[in-house]
Amino acid sequence: AQSVTQPDIHITVSEGASLELRCNYSYGATPYLFWYVQSPGQGLQLLLKYFSGDTLVQGIKGFEAEFKRSQSSFNLRKPSVHWSDAAEYFCAVVGGYQKVTFGIGTKLQVIP
Amino acid sequence: EPEVTQTPSHQVTQMGQEVILRCVPISNHLYFYWYRQILGQKVEFLVSFYNNEISEKSEIFDDQFSVERPDGSNFTLKIRSTKLEDSAMYFCASGTLGSATQYFGPGTRLTVL
Repeated sequence: AQSVTQPDIHITVSEGASLELRCNYSYGATPYLFWYVQSPGQGLQLLLKYFSGDTLVQGIKGFEAEFKRSQSSFNLRKPSVHWSDAAEYFCAVVGGYQKVTFGIGTKLQVIP
Repeated sequence: EPEVTQTPSHQVTQMGQEVILRCVPISNHLYFYWYRQILGQKVEFLVSFYNNEISEKSEIFDDQFSVERPDGSNFTLKIRSTKLEDSAMYFCASGTLGSATQYFGPGTRLTVL
């Protein structure tokens, strides 16, 4: 069965600092991997996705993620965080019948 | 840009009542999904729907739940007799044939009293 682990429940970074959110997945075949962001009271917005090819994928809002098969990881990065990036971030993997399995989420707090 | 819409944004109901949550998927999408997120917990898959039938459902999706595509645009989730533990945010999502990407609606917050 597929699963996603996000080891950091809360992360606090200063505005302008770099960010890395960790994600590890478990899936029997080649995974389809996603990062979604949820602002308070909002729905889930797709940040980026990995299907195949280049292991470094670019997304919206200046985010990128790197797929590392050897580590079963798909970490999300941003070189310089803005206050508007404060939100909850979900890593996800898609498996059978396109069912999405989400991680528990990482809440990002940005301090001035 | 087309988007998934959901109504209502917030529904309050009494325990034991039936509720219907409504979704309008993106118009050319063929796969439809419901997920829920209990406060403070992860988003959980409930059901997927394709070609007018359920493709997959989770153990959460018991006989109290049903889904329907009553017309060419709406996709509904019905909970027949709500329980306190059904209180959650319910997300609808849709996707196209051959793509693993799902697009999510803004959610309906269901509160069962």
